[in-house]
Amino acid sequence: QVQLQESGPGLVKPSETLSLTCTVSGGSISSYYWTWIRQPPGKGLEWIAYIYYSGSSNYNPSLKSRVSISIDTSKTQFSLKLTSVTAADTAVYYCARVPSRDGYPPYYFDYWGQGTLVTVSS
Amino acid sequence: DIQMTQSPSSLSAFVGDRVTVTCRASQSISSSLNWYQQKPGKAPKLLIYAASSLQSGAPSRFSGSGSGTDFTLTISSLQAEDFATYHCQQTYNTPWTFGQGTKLEIK
Repeated sequence: QVQLQESGPGLVKPSETLSLTCTVSGGSISSYYWTWIRQPPGKGLEWIAYIYYSGSSNYNPSLKSRVSISIDTSKTQFSLKLTSVTAADTAVYYCARVPSRDGYPPYYFDYWGQGTLVTVSS
Repeated sequence: DIQMTQSPSSLSAFVGDRVTVTCRASQSISSSLNWYQQKPGKAPKLLIYAASSLQSGAPSRFSGSGSGTDFTLTISSLQAEDFATYHCQQTYNTPWTFGQGTKLEIK
């Protein structure tokens, strides 16, 4: 059974960098897209970015200037960095898997991590 | 960005009811529409992908339909464990976007 687990600090100071890692177990990291999503308390879901196992990536333009995603296939992990955070970045951050047939649609999120709450506060 | 609008935003129903949630896209997204169920404090769970394909393990009382701009999620006979928030998502174009959610409550 594929499992994803987010890890990283639960509290980040304003203007600093939020760093999260998602560890994948029970399955291969190859031949999939891997993605980050966030959900502010009491609000809806926002897609942040995805990365293909080969390293190609795509970002939400609303965050593109501050976000980067990377992958380490040897550790079966992928990571998110979000710079210059503000209180508006307080959210539960989820990682998820996106299956695809050789990189083609349909795209959907079939396995999710449990989520980790990141609070931006001094 | 493609805007996804769900209706209603909240819904009350009885166990055993047939329930329909709709999702409208601001432009055509073909069949690139997914539905997720989310319970409080939990991650979303995939129910339907590509508008009408039932995810493995999802109960058969869930079904999806539609293409282009208008989509529906139907629960044929509501069970107690179905009370949750439902989200639609388009993956036709990036940025992938979600609807605002529909909260389904017990009447």
